[in-house]
Amino acid sequence: GENVEQHPSTLSVQEGDSAVIKCTYSDSASNYFPWYKQELGKGPQLIIDIRSNVGEKKDQRIAVTLNKTAKHFSLHITETQPEDSAVYFCAASRTRGSTLGRLYFGRGTQLTVWP
Amino acid sequence: DTAVSQTPKYLVTQMGNDKSIKCEQNLGHDTMYWYKQDSKKFLKIMFSYNNKELIINETVPNRFSPKSPDKAHLNLHINSLELGDSAVYFCASSQERDRVGEETQYFGPGTRLLVL
Repeated sequence: GENVEQHPSTLSVQEGDSAVIKCTYSDSASNYFPWYKQELGKGPQLIIDIRSNVGEKKDQRIAVTLNKTAKHFSLHITETQPEDSAVYFCAASRTRGSTLGRLYFGRGTQLTVWP
Repeated sequence: DTAVSQTPKYLVTQMGNDKSIKCEQNLGHDTMYWYKQDSKKFLKIMFSYNNKELIINETVPNRFSPKSPDKAHLNLHINSLELGDSAVYFCASSQERDRVGEETQYFGPGTRLLVL
């Protein structure tokens, strides 16, 4: 099955700095890579996703890059704000094959943004 | 106008009891999921239903039984609760699991289960 590794497990940055979270995956058939933000006491919320036919996607301060050859993808948050503090999860899944629909999550990154 | 809702939000119970968690989605989605998040925040899928049919059944104890009365509901029943069942359980839904652009999963707020 798919194995998703996520680093770092914790990340502290100063407000205004950038934050980068990296993930690797093992199944070359995975073609969908969402990122979720989980605030304390809440469910994971999708913040951005990317599909295997795209190398980069940006939404305001958030961007995601995908390197299919190396099987890794990254989340970039620029101009961080205290409200960005949360646990971030990367995930991978495939829309074809026997495991379709199954999201494999990384172990999460606790991001803390200090004012 | 909550998209995916779960009840109860908190559930505290004794070992050996039977309990149910309810999930409803008003997004018109065809596929629903149950995830378990352990104390280290690791999220792992337990079950998935598509149009009321079970399609994913991970290696979970058979004390856990999902039930889908209709496309908009997926409930989780747990028999003979054990200490190790303490976790946060999340329900999620997606429009289509096998169509590009429609596979995004939307999560509920979670049910925090504590078994004493």
